[in-house]
Amino acid sequence: KQEVTQIPAALSVPEGENLVLNCSFTDSAIYNLQWFRQDPGKGLTSLLLIQSSQREQTSGRLNASLDKSSGRSTLYIAASQPGDSATYLCAVKVNTGFQKLVFGTGTRLLVSP
Amino acid sequence: NAGVTQTPKFQVLKTGQSMTLQCAQDMNHNSMYWYRQDPGMGLRLIYYSASEGTTDKGEVPNGYNVSRLNKREFSLRLESAAPSQTSVYFCASSAGLSANEQFFGPGTRLTVL
Repeated sequence: KQEVTQIPAALSVPEGENLVLNCSFTDSAIYNLQWFRQDPGKGLTSLLLIQSSQREQTSGRLNASLDKSSGRSTLYIAASQPGDSATYLCAVKVNTGFQKLVFGTGTRLLVSP
Repeated sequence: NAGVTQTPKFQVLKTGQSMTLQCAQDMNHNSMYWYRQDPGMGLRLIYYSASEGTTDKGEVPNGYNVSRLNKREFSLRLESAAPSQTSVYFCASSAGLSANEQFFGPGTRLTVL
């Protein structure tokens, strides 16, 4: 059974720092991996999607990497800003008779001015 | 475009009461999903609809029913609410089951007393 773990559960940094969020998964048989952002009381916004054949994706200050063989992904945020404060979720797409997303429990990020 | 909308935003029920959560999307997507989010457990798939006229069980379907009313709308019904169904419910849609990206609604926070 696929399990997705995100460490740390919470992270607090001062503005301007570069930071790394970690995601690990137990089964390398995935279609893709997505990073989402969730603001309090809001839905999920997709940030980056990495196909299983890809190693990384970049969008602005965000860079996500994928090492499928070791079951790891990282989300790198450069020059963090208070507006980056949110919960970040990773999810892998798998097939268990139907295609579905398996989510981690998230990392709550607080960036202080 | 409103994207994915959900009503209501908040709801408090007593044990045994019934209610329907509504979801609509205006992106002409074929597939729609219902998830629940509980602390420490990540999002879990309740039911999904691959296309208009079809619905299938996800990981945690017990205690729920769904209706794909038309291409735009996908409702989730709790026939006899239980405290274990206290959760935040998210609706999502995608172009198709194999599509990479799912788009999420803002969620419904449900408390069952």
